[in-house]
Amino acid sequence: GIQVEQSPPDLILQEGANSTLRCNFSDSVNNLQWFHQNPWGQLINLFYIPSGTKQNGRLSATTVATERYSLLYISSSQTTDSGVYFCAVALLNDYKLSFGAGTTVTVRA
Amino acid sequence: DAGVTQSPTHLIKTRGQQVTLRCSPISGHKSVSWYQQVLGQGPQFIFQYYEKEERGRGNFPDRFSARQFPNYSSELNVNALLLGDSALYLCASTFFRADGANVLTFGAGSRLTVL
Repeated sequence: GIQVEQSPPDLILQEGANSTLRCNFSDSVNNLQWFHQNPWGQLINLFYIPSGTKQNGRLSATTVATERYSLLYISSSQTTDSGVYFCAVALLNDYKLSFGAGTTVTVRA
Repeated sequence: DAGVTQSPTHLIKTRGQQVTLRCSPISGHKSVSWYQQVLGQGPQFIFQYYEKEERGRGNFPDRFSARQFPNYSSELNVNALLLGDSALYLCASTFFRADGANVLTFGAGSRLTVL
């Protein structure tokens, strides 16, 4: 199956700092989603971004499909950004998402 | 609009027992998927159902089964529980894009502890 690698595994930030999370995947995909899992376990959709660049407030994401990676940018981090960030991908017409192991982000006040 | 609703939120079972978890998708969505998330790992695909038919199954034993009802809600059943079944069980409502991509929206999950 498709392999998804996320880096770094852990990230500690001071409030206000910027950061970049990376997701590498092993095959061509037509579905890539970024999720944020809060401390209560809720997985929240951040972006559907199989290619290109999107921005939503302080978050933005870029996927370079031809090079099989995606980046999630967090700017001016806040304590509420803490949690685990997952990248998940799927092949064309595949019904299942394959998740990476996640990046655990801790933002300190 | 209600999002994806799951019940129960937490439950504790003992080894050998059976459990049923429930999920209602977003209104208008006809597909649900189930994922298992063991502590410290990413979610793993269990099943996807569309229009009451199983579309796909992950690498899980036959102790795991599911069904989808005419109103598109779904149940996940796990029989003969093992300690290793302790996990967060996530249900996702699926929106099918014209390009074939499945965009998933997850519920809050059901946290199962097996003692």
